Amino acid sequence: DGGITQSPKYLFRKEGQNVTLSCEQNLNHDAMYWYRQDPGQGLRLIYYSQIVNDFQKGDIAEGYSVSREKKESFPLTVTSAQKNPTAFYLCASSPDLLYGYTFGSGTRLTVV
Amino acid sequence: AQSVAQPEDQVNVAEGNPLTVKCTYSVSGNPYLFWYVQYPNRGLQFLLKYITGDNLVKGSYGFEAEFNKSQTSFHLKKPSALVSDSALYFCAVRDSLFSGGYNKLIFGAGTRLAVHP
Repeated sequence: DGGITQSPKYLFRKEGQNVTLSCEQNLNHDAMYWYRQDPGQGLRLIYYSQIVNDFQKGDIAEGYSVSREKKESFPLTVTSAQKNPTAFYLCASSPDLLYGYTFGSGTRLTVV
Repeated sequence: AQSVAQPEDQVNVAEGNPLTVKCTYSVSGNPYLFWYVQYPNRGLQFLLKYITGDNLVKGSYGFEAEFNKSQTSFHLKKPSALVSDSALYFCAVRDSLFSGGYNKLIFGAGTRLAVHP
């Protein structure tokens, strides 16, 4: 079945550590997105990408980085510069402007 | 600024009763509107969308939504609620000012639906 796979489901980060969240899709969608979800704040866009080797900052990109070396993959790195990284991270993809998003099942990141 | 508002943090309804989850929007041009549902520690699942056509849109799991252009609303409805409908519901609108051919969605803050037996 086609879909988006996010891993790991739970991730713990120590202070000053970089961590990478994986997002893989087999839907052949061009556009991919990373959102952050905090209670009561809805979803906020971190980064997005339309094609391989191209990506753009979203509304809250500071402290995050991404890469898009393959169409299927869009990993997100949470760097030590992100001062409040504890959140639920959602990856999504979309084929065109008339379609909504297909979401992965999310990664819950906690700072310990 | 383009935005989506979900005025209720939580909606409580008894099983078997009709439910409504409210959404209003503000965008330039014709809106593309979506509803998603989220169960605990899961991603969002698509319920339905309005792009054009009939103002009453039918979606998954018996949900429907009514598009009202004059009131800039897109309320989610279901004639008879189930306990299993209890979840977090998000309304979203396509950001019509977003450039580069991307399909960026603006999400509301979410409404928690609690259906009681």
